[in-house]
Amino acid sequence: DQQVKQNSPSLSVQEGRISILNCDYTNSMFDYFLWYKKYPAEGPTFLISISSIKDKNEDGRFTVFLNKSAKHLSLHIVPSQPGDSAVYFCAASDSGGGADGLTFGKGTHLIIQP
Amino acid sequence: DVKVTQSSRYLVKRTGEKVFLECVQDMDHENMFWYRQDPGLGLRLIYFSYDVKMKEKGDIPEGYSVSREKKERFSLILESASTNQTSMYLCASSLDRDRQFTEAFFGQGTRLTVV
Repeated sequence: DQQVKQNSPSLSVQEGRISILNCDYTNSMFDYFLWYKKYPAEGPTFLISISSIKDKNEDGRFTVFLNKSAKHLSLHIVPSQPGDSAVYFCAASDSGGGADGLTFGKGTHLIIQP
Repeated sequence: DVKVTQSSRYLVKRTGEKVFLECVQDMDHENMFWYRQDPGLGLRLIYFSYDVKMKEKGDIPEGYSVSREKKERFSLILESASTNQTSMYLCASSLDRDRQFTEAFFGQGTRLTVV
């Protein structure tokens, strides 16, 4: 039973345009959400997070939107750059979930085309 | 900067061998985790630990054990390696659960091949 779903295995976007990566979750106990970026043969690096008390969090070119009623979050990258090509993982946890680990989606491979 | 260091980037082991994967973090984090990443399956939690000598099973603990004798070090043990344990193994750490939640920081990963 997949609690965090990333339904697009891959996404191709032209350089300079907006990249939108989507994530859905089923566990209503999740109240903290994170996005990680992963290059091949490297560990994931934290990108941005959002608490369930917010609906938007912005950090430079990256914005995460949370729609709790729909149990949906999205990551917007604008403008997209070649270095953004990577696999992006959506992750979620419940309160104090730091000790119980994060639940990850299967990832979306973002390809930025010149 | 938080540093999570895994002892090996690449390992090749034979079926039936006992394999140790070591992970060290330098940020005095209470929580440590072992995940494996497989194509099409994302990251799956094997074991985690929220304190020295404490361990909890994750989603896929079968065939693995862990050891946490010191706060900074978390070891993953494959008791008898099998080919289906060929994978990318990722160690992570995070602050204690009673504090405001912070993100988990990952090591660079160990690509294990069992032949």
